[in-house]
Amino acid sequence: KNQVEQSPQSLIILEGKNCTLQCNYTVSPFSNLRWYKQDTGRGPVSLTIMTFSENTKSNGRYTATLDADTKQSSLHITASQLSDSASYICVVSVRGYQKVTFGIGTKLQVIP
Amino acid sequence: EAQVTQNPRYLITVTGKKLTVTCSQNMNHEYMSWYRQDPGLGLRQIYYSMNVEVTDKGDVPEGYKVSRKEKRNFPLILESPSPNQTSLYFCASSLGTASLYNSPLHFGNGTRLTVT
Repeated sequence: KNQVEQSPQSLIILEGKNCTLQCNYTVSPFSNLRWYKQDTGRGPVSLTIMTFSENTKSNGRYTATLDADTKQSSLHITASQLSDSASYICVVSVRGYQKVTFGIGTKLQVIP
Repeated sequence: EAQVTQNPRYLITVTGKKLTVTCSQNMNHEYMSWYRQDPGLGLRQIYYSMNVEVTDKGDVPEGYKVSRKEKRNFPLILESPSPNQTSLYFCASSLGTASLYNSPLHFGNGTRLTVT
């Protein structure tokens, strides 16, 4: 069964600090992996998209990594800001199919 | 502005009373889909559509219907809502399929439905 697991479930960090969120998946055959940011009461917004051949992709202070061999991805947030408080969702697509598998998400709270 | 618009944002209804949640996108996207989001379960796909008049079931289609008569619209219909359909619903669209075109899903801002 295709699954996406994220850790930790929740995280509290001080403003200005860095953090790393993890995503492990068992989806096969793999097509691509995306990280989304979901603010409270809003729809998710795409941060990064990575295919099989990409190891790292950055979007401002967000850097995503992918290890297709171990089926792991991480999202690193640098110099966190209060506006980074949100849920971060890992989404994996199966090659050749129209469905995607969502992780439950990591709820990040950045405090002053 | 490119966007996916859902209406209404909030809806409270009673068991058995048919309702429709509308979804419209202005990006000429081929792919549209509906999800529900429940605490501890994440986003689960209800139905999706590859193009006009082409729809298919997602992971949790029971109790829902959809139609795709026009490219921009993809309404979600609950013929006889029940309390277990109380949830946060999201519509999303994408340039192509999630797998084939590597294009992101663009989500609406959600519809919070309560069925009493």
